[in-house]
Amino acid sequence: AQSVSQHNHHVILSEAASLELGCNYSYGGTVNLFWYVQYPGQHLQLLLKYFSGDPLVKGIKGFEAEFIKSKFSFNLRKPSVQWSDTAEYFCAVNGMNTGFQKLVFGTGTRLLVSP
Amino acid sequence: DGGITQSPKYLFRKEGQNVTLSCEQNLNHDAMYWYRQDPGQGLRLIYYSQIVNDFQKGDIAEGYSVSREKKESFPLTVTSAQKNPTAFYLCASSISGVTGELFFGEGSRLTVL
Repeated sequence: AQSVSQHNHHVILSEAASLELGCNYSYGGTVNLFWYVQYPGQHLQLLLKYFSGDPLVKGIKGFEAEFIKSKFSFNLRKPSVQWSDTAEYFCAVNGMNTGFQKLVFGTGTRLLVSP
Repeated sequence: DGGITQSPKYLFRKEGQNVTLSCEQNLNHDAMYWYRQDPGQGLRLIYYSQIVNDFQKGDIAEGYSVSREKKESFPLTVTSAQKNPTAFYLCASSISGVTGELFFGEGSRLTVL
Protein backbone atom coordinates (compact mmCIF):
# COMPACT_ATOMS: atom_id res chain seq x y z
CA ALA A 1 0.00 0.00 0.00
CA GLN A 2 1.07 3.54 -0.65
CA SER A 3 2.07 5.81 2.22
CA VAL A 4 3.40 9.33 2.53
CA SER A 5 5.55 10.74 5.33
CA GLN A 6 5.97 14.39 6.14
CA HIS A 7 8.57 14.67 8.85
CA ASN A 8 8.05 18.28 9.86
CA HIS A 9 4.71 18.76 11.57
CA HIS A 10 5.24 22.40 12.53
CA VAL A 11 7.70 24.87 11.03
CA ILE A 12 8.20 28.45 12.15
CA LEU A 13 10.21 30.83 9.97
CA SER A 14 10.85 34.53 9.73
CA GLU A 15 10.03 36.35 6.52
CA ALA A 16 12.74 36.02 3.85
CA ALA A 17 14.00 32.73 5.29
CA SER A 18 14.33 29.76 2.97
CA LEU A 19 11.90 26.88 3.23
CA GLU A 20 12.26 23.17 2.64
CA LEU A 21 9.51 20.74 3.63
CA GLY A 22 10.30 17.05 3.46
CA CYS A 23 8.09 14.45 1.81
CA ASN A 24 8.90 10.77 1.39
CA TYR A 25 6.63 8.10 -0.03
CA SER A 26 6.61 4.36 -0.19
CA TYR A 27 5.45 2.83 -3.42
CA GLY A 28 7.38 0.63 -5.79
CA GLY A 29 5.92 1.71 -9.10
CA THR A 30 5.39 4.84 -11.12
CA VAL A 31 3.88 7.72 -9.19
CA ASN A 32 2.30 11.09 -9.66
CA LEU A 33 3.26 13.51 -6.88
CA PHE A 34 1.49 16.59 -5.58
CA TRP A 35 1.76 19.35 -3.06
CA TYR A 36 -1.47 20.93 -1.85
CA VAL A 37 -1.79 24.02 0.34
CA GLN A 38 -4.55 25.05 2.72
CA TYR A 39 -4.45 28.73 3.68
CA PRO A 40 -6.33 29.72 6.85
CA GLY A 41 -10.05 29.64 6.19
CA GLN A 42 -9.66 28.55 2.58
CA HIS A 43 -10.09 25.29 0.70
CA LEU A 44 -7.26 23.00 -0.25
CA GLN A 45 -5.67 23.95 -3.54
CA LEU A 46 -3.01 22.51 -5.76
CA LEU A 47 0.45 24.06 -5.36
CA LEU A 48 2.34 21.94 -7.87
CA LYS A 49 2.46 18.48 -9.38
CA TYR A 50 4.88 16.04 -10.96
CA PHE A 51 3.80 13.50 -13.55
CA SER A 52 6.92 12.89 -15.63
CA GLY A 53 9.86 14.66 -17.27
CA ASP A 54 11.98 17.27 -15.52
CA PRO A 55 12.16 16.24 -11.86
CA LEU A 56 12.32 19.88 -10.78
CA VAL A 57 8.82 21.30 -11.00
CA LYS A 58 7.70 24.83 -10.40
CA GLY A 59 4.36 25.79 -8.95
CA ILE A 60 2.46 28.88 -7.98
CA LYS A 61 3.77 31.64 -5.73
CA GLY A 62 7.43 30.80 -6.23
CA PHE A 63 7.29 27.27 -4.87
CA GLU A 64 9.21 24.40 -6.42
CA ALA A 65 9.71 20.73 -5.66
CA GLU A 66 12.26 18.17 -6.70
CA PHE A 67 11.46 14.53 -7.34
CA ILE A 68 14.39 12.29 -6.40
CA LYS A 69 13.37 8.81 -7.43
CA SER A 70 16.26 7.05 -5.70
CA LYS A 71 15.27 8.63 -2.39
CA PHE A 72 11.49 8.33 -2.88
CA SER A 73 11.32 12.01 -2.03
CA PHE A 74 9.46 15.07 -3.28
CA ASN A 75 10.59 17.96 -1.10
CA LEU A 76 8.99 21.37 -1.37
CA ARG A 77 11.17 24.49 -1.45
CA LYS A 78 10.89 28.24 -1.57
CA PRO A 79 13.94 30.53 -1.47
CA SER A 80 12.31 33.34 0.49
CA VAL A 81 9.03 32.94 2.36
CA GLN A 82 6.46 35.63 2.98
CA TRP A 83 3.98 36.12 5.78
CA SER A 84 1.23 35.13 3.32
CA ASP A 85 2.77 31.66 3.00
CA THR A 86 1.45 30.81 6.44
CA ALA A 87 -0.64 27.71 5.75
CA GLU A 88 -0.78 23.96 6.04
CA TYR A 89 1.02 22.01 3.32
CA PHE A 90 0.16 18.47 2.27
CA CYS A 91 2.21 16.13 0.14
CA ALA A 92 0.24 13.49 -1.80
CA VAL A 93 1.08 10.51 -4.00
CA ASN A 94 -0.91 8.64 -6.59
CA GLY A 95 0.36 5.21 -7.55
CA MET A 96 -0.05 4.67 -11.27
CA ASN A 97 -0.30 0.90 -11.26
CA THR A 98 -3.31 0.42 -9.03
CA GLY A 99 -6.27 0.78 -11.37
CA PHE A 100 -8.36 3.65 -10.12
CA GLN A 101 -5.75 5.94 -8.68
CA LYS A 102 -6.51 7.11 -5.19
CA LEU A 103 -4.59 10.04 -3.85
CA VAL A 104 -2.85 9.29 -0.54
CA PHE A 105 -1.97 12.29 1.62
CA GLY A 106 0.69 12.90 4.20
CA THR A 107 -0.17 14.22 7.65
CA GLY A 108 0.59 17.81 6.71
CA THR A 109 3.05 20.50 7.82
CA ARG A 110 1.86 23.67 9.45
CA LEU A 111 4.02 26.62 8.42
CA LEU A 112 3.95 29.84 10.39
CA VAL A 113 5.84 32.77 8.93
CA SER A 114 6.41 35.64 11.30
CA PRO A 115 6.66 39.16 9.87
CA ASP B 1 -18.06 30.03 -11.46
CA GLY B 2 -17.22 26.34 -11.55
CA GLY B 3 -16.48 24.64 -8.28
CA ILE B 4 -17.50 22.38 -5.46
CA THR B 5 -20.08 23.43 -2.91
CA GLN B 6 -20.33 21.74 0.45
CA SER B 7 -23.08 22.35 2.96
CA PRO B 8 -23.56 22.97 5.73
CA LYS B 9 -20.27 24.60 6.69
CA TYR B 10 -20.83 23.89 10.38
CA LEU B 11 -23.05 21.21 11.86
CA PHE B 12 -23.79 20.08 15.38
CA ARG B 13 -25.29 16.71 16.10
CA LYS B 14 -26.34 14.80 19.15
CA GLU B 15 -24.94 11.34 19.70
CA GLY B 16 -27.05 8.66 18.05
CA GLN B 17 -28.24 10.85 15.20
CA ASN B 18 -27.43 10.39 11.54
CA VAL B 19 -26.41 13.46 9.59
CA THR B 20 -25.98 14.02 5.84
CA LEU B 21 -23.37 16.33 4.34
CA SER B 22 -24.04 17.70 0.90
CA CYS B 23 -21.50 17.97 -1.92
CA GLU B 24 -22.35 19.40 -5.33
CA GLN B 25 -19.99 20.09 -8.23
CA ASN B 26 -20.55 21.88 -11.53
CA LEU B 27 -17.17 21.00 -13.03
CA ASN B 28 -18.59 18.07 -15.00
CA HIS B 29 -16.10 15.79 -13.27
CA ASP B 30 -16.66 12.05 -13.30
CA ALA B 31 -14.94 11.18 -10.04
CA MET B 32 -15.86 12.41 -6.56
CA TYR B 33 -14.36 11.77 -3.15
CA TRP B 34 -14.94 12.25 0.54
CA TYR B 35 -12.00 12.79 2.88
CA ARG B 36 -11.87 13.26 6.59
CA GLN B 37 -9.30 15.67 8.03
CA ASP B 38 -8.17 15.40 11.66
CA PRO B 39 -5.35 17.39 13.27
CA GLY B 40 -2.04 15.60 12.85
CA GLN B 41 -3.53 12.86 10.67
CA GLY B 42 -3.81 14.56 7.33
CA LEU B 43 -6.59 13.55 4.95
CA ARG B 44 -8.01 10.05 4.99
CA LEU B 45 -10.23 8.70 2.25
CA ILE B 46 -13.74 7.67 3.29
CA TYR B 47 -15.48 6.86 -0.03
CA TYR B 48 -14.96 7.58 -3.68
CA SER B 49 -17.01 7.30 -6.82
CA GLN B 50 -15.68 6.95 -10.35
CA ILE B 51 -19.02 7.27 -12.14
CA VAL B 52 -22.70 7.69 -11.44
CA ASN B 53 -24.33 4.83 -9.53
CA ASP B 54 -20.98 3.40 -8.50
CA PHE B 55 -18.91 4.01 -5.39
CA GLN B 56 -16.16 2.28 -3.45
CA LYS B 57 -15.03 2.22 0.15
CA GLY B 58 -11.90 4.10 1.03
CA ASP B 59 -9.62 3.52 3.98
CA ILE B 60 -12.03 4.52 6.76
CA ALA B 61 -15.54 3.77 5.44
CA GLU B 62 -16.97 2.21 8.62
CA GLY B 63 -19.87 4.25 9.98
CA TYR B 64 -20.35 6.21 6.76
CA SER B 65 -22.55 5.79 3.70
CA VAL B 66 -22.79 7.56 0.33
CA SER B 67 -24.86 7.64 -2.82
CA ARG B 68 -24.13 8.80 -6.36
CA GLU B 69 -27.44 9.12 -8.15
CA LYS B 70 -26.38 12.17 -10.14
CA LYS B 71 -23.04 13.10 -11.65
CA GLU B 72 -22.92 16.41 -9.83
CA SER B 73 -23.90 15.17 -6.37
CA PHE B 74 -22.16 12.92 -3.83
CA PRO B 75 -23.76 13.21 -0.36
CA LEU B 76 -22.13 11.63 2.68
CA THR B 77 -24.14 10.30 5.63
CA VAL B 78 -22.39 10.04 8.96
CA THR B 79 -24.29 7.37 10.82
CA SER B 80 -24.61 6.73 14.53
CA ALA B 81 -22.28 3.77 14.02
CA GLN B 82 -19.33 6.11 13.43
CA LYS B 83 -17.52 6.05 16.76
CA ASN B 84 -15.65 9.33 16.46
CA PRO B 85 -17.55 11.52 13.99
CA THR B 86 -16.35 14.95 15.13
CA ALA B 87 -14.07 16.07 12.29
CA PHE B 88 -13.63 18.26 9.26
CA TYR B 89 -15.03 16.64 6.11
CA LEU B 90 -13.75 17.50 2.65
CA CYS B 91 -15.38 16.68 -0.65
CA ALA B 92 -13.34 16.64 -3.83
CA SER B 93 -13.70 15.85 -7.50
CA SER B 94 -11.45 15.05 -10.43
CA ILE B 95 -11.93 14.82 -14.19
CA SER B 96 -11.38 11.10 -13.89
CA GLY B 97 -9.49 8.79 -11.60
CA VAL B 98 -6.47 8.84 -13.84
CA THR B 99 -4.39 11.85 -12.94
CA GLY B 100 -5.25 12.18 -9.29
CA GLU B 101 -5.46 15.97 -9.45
CA LEU B 102 -8.28 16.87 -7.10
CA PHE B 103 -10.39 19.97 -6.67
CA PHE B 104 -11.71 20.52 -3.16
CA GLY B 105 -14.72 22.12 -1.56
CA GLU B 106 -14.42 24.35 1.48
CA GLY B 107 -15.33 21.59 3.89
CA SER B 108 -17.94 20.85 6.53
CA ARG B 109 -17.09 20.82 10.21
CA LEU B 110 -19.17 18.32 12.16
CA THR B 111 -19.28 18.44 15.94
CA VAL B 112 -21.03 15.75 17.93
CA LEU B 113 -22.25 16.93 21.31
